[in-house]
Amino acid sequence: DIQMTQSPSSLSASVGDRVTITCRASQSIRNYLNWYQQEPGKAPRLLIYAASALQSGVPSRFSGSGSGTDFTLTISSLQPEDFATYYCQQSYSSFITFGQGTRLDIK
Amino acid sequence: EVQLVESGGDLVQPGGSLRLSCAASEFTFNKYDMTWVRLAPGKGLEWLSQIGGSGDRTYYADSVKGRFTISRDNSKNTLYLQMNSLRAEDTALYYCAKARMGVTRDFDYWGQGTLVTVSS
Repeated sequence: DIQMTQSPSSLSASVGDRVTITCRASQSIRNYLNWYQQEPGKAPRLLIYAASALQSGVPSRFSGSGSGTDFTLTISSLQPEDFATYYCQQSYSSFITFGQGTRLDIK
Repeated sequence: EVQLVESGGDLVQPGGSLRLSCAASEFTFNKYDMTWVRLAPGKGLEWLSQIGGSGDRTYYADSVKGRFTISRDNSKNTLYLQMNSLRAEDTALYYCAKARMGVTRDFDYWGQGTLVTVSS
């Protein structure tokens, strides 16, 4: 299985901050990398697919980059509704794997 | 608006069985792969299984292979997950989700989840 490792596991930040979360794959996954946001008590929400494509309806402050094994999710200016847990997910293999999650909370 | 509504979650004893359902609406169900993902207490998202639009292809995570079976009834627009030989570590909120485009493995719509508790 392809292992996905996110860093950091948790992060404290303030409204207006620029935040970057990284995700590393155990082998090359080309650009088959997706990012999700999950707020407590809610279903996951697709933010970014194919490493850098913004899902419809997602604010432009979210962006993704990377290819091969190293990827990043950037939130350019944190808003109160962005405090949540973020997951990367590889879709290169038929056997999908998620990163362990990054919890983003308010400083 | 696309809707996915899971049901069937319950309290079940270790070794028991349960069948989860996911009722889909407002999209052409048989054109899309569907998947099951779970969120256990204190853990992260875990992918469990995926099925092709016609039911021809199925994939399972090692943690559930041989115990869980994914299926679909396209005439009823419903996805299923048959869970056998349940263990305490299967306790989780179970989500169904729709592939963003046909056979892709990224998921744009999710249900709200159904809770499975495995305990004696």
